[in-house]
Amino acid sequence: GAGVSQTPSNKVTEKGKYVELRCDPISGHTALYWYRQSLGQGPEFLIYFQGTGAADDSGLPNDRFFAVRPEGSVSTLKIQRTERGDSAVYLCASSPQGQVHNEQFFGPGTRLTVL
Amino acid sequence: AQSVTQPDIHITVSEGASLELRCNYSYGATPYLFWYVQSPGQGLQLLLKYFSGDTLVQGIKGFEAEFKRSQSSFNLRKPSVHWSDAAEYFCAVGATGGYNKLIFGAGTRLAVHP
Repeated sequence: GAGVSQTPSNKVTEKGKYVELRCDPISGHTALYWYRQSLGQGPEFLIYFQGTGAADDSGLPNDRFFAVRPEGSVSTLKIQRTERGDSAVYLCASSPQGQVHNEQFFGPGTRLTVL
Repeated sequence: AQSVTQPDIHITVSEGASLELRCNYSYGATPYLFWYVQSPGQGLQLLLKYFSGDTLVQGIKGFEAEFKRSQSSFNLRKPSVHWSDAAEYFCAVGATGGYNKLIFGAGTRLAVHP
């Protein structure tokens, strides 16, 4: 079946602009995670959704970052007033439930470049 | 706070040679440990995981890992490396909170010589 998909695969924007990154999880997965992977680093947790609600947004770096999942499926990560330091690969993952033993299935990521 | 250390940034092995990738974690209780592989243009793929029980865990693609509580380690091994194993490997620990928020190490990039 289809895996986690993310669009766009690449996004180039200018400093100060607004961007939206989309994640389509595996159908039926109630848990959805966003991570950010900077060059030469491992993924860093940003936010976790269980259904429609953000159960943990402790990883969001500041209030320029926001994410939604209005219908409990597709999620959008929104970044306002982008900065060069936001350049990274943004990864989305989903799992059947938000339990520690459930495997997280990752998408290919969106590479964001802020000029 | 939980953390994961992968001491080796880059490792090169010959095809057919054995492999061991190191992972050390910091965690106050019994950890939930994972190894993921990331190939260029691909998403992260789970190789194996440890929650409890047998400390030697078998995974996909011929990989295994051993949990050693006394050393706070969860090293990944493979007896004979194939050229297709060239990729980046990440060790991760499942954070507290009752759900699977992962904390990753910085990764080890594996190159395989023919």
